[in-house]
Amino acid sequence: QQQVKQSPQSLIVQKGGISIINCAYENTAFDYFPWYQQFPGKGPALLIAIRPDVSEKKEGRFTISFNKSAKQFSLHIMDSQPGDSATYFCAAVRTGTYKYIFGTGTRLKVLA
Amino acid sequence: SQTIHQWPATLVQPVGSPLSLECTVEGTSNPNLYWYRQAAGRGLQLLFYSVGIGQISSEVPQNLSASRPQDRQFILSSKKLLLSDSGFYLCAWSVGSLVGEQYFGPGTRLTVT
Repeated sequence: QQQVKQSPQSLIVQKGGISIINCAYENTAFDYFPWYQQFPGKGPALLIAIRPDVSEKKEGRFTISFNKSAKQFSLHIMDSQPGDSATYFCAAVRTGTYKYIFGTGTRLKVLA
Repeated sequence: SQTIHQWPATLVQPVGSPLSLECTVEGTSNPNLYWYRQAAGRGLQLLFYSVGIGQISSEVPQNLSASRPQDRQFILSSKKLLLSDSGFYLCAWSVGSLVGEQYFGPGTRLTVT
């Protein structure tokens, strides 16, 4: 019940296309859902995050869609660029636990 | 602004040798601190977290230990390294009891030979 399932494991997208990464969770007590972007040899960087009281959050080309009833959330990268090529991690956390439960990661490659 | 430092950036150690990795956070007080390990091409494994000085929670039983001697300092140690301890070690911090943003350091690449 503490797991966050992330898919796909890897993704190849053409430049200008839309990249979509999905995550699913079981624990309905989770109340914060961040996405991280990690380049090789670097620490993950917080990209965008959402709380369950909204269904969508957009920051530039990055959008989180949140479906509370389905217990799923997804990251959409619009107009994908080669510079977006990285590994993306979703996570979920419940207030008071301090523990961030991470998905297994998606390796995105955007072809020029 | 807040910054997080980790050192060393890379480390090559023989099996059986001791380990000490250090993490410090600047620009905030009483942060929650975390140690993660990431195997090559894999996800993030939470090792330890701390919500205050001297308070350490262990997530994975192994030959590693953590200490928090000062408010913004977090240390990961081992008395005797194993080959399986190789990986990318990441320190992270967050603030407060209400869940929010967690920020990662640049990481330490450890190779045990």
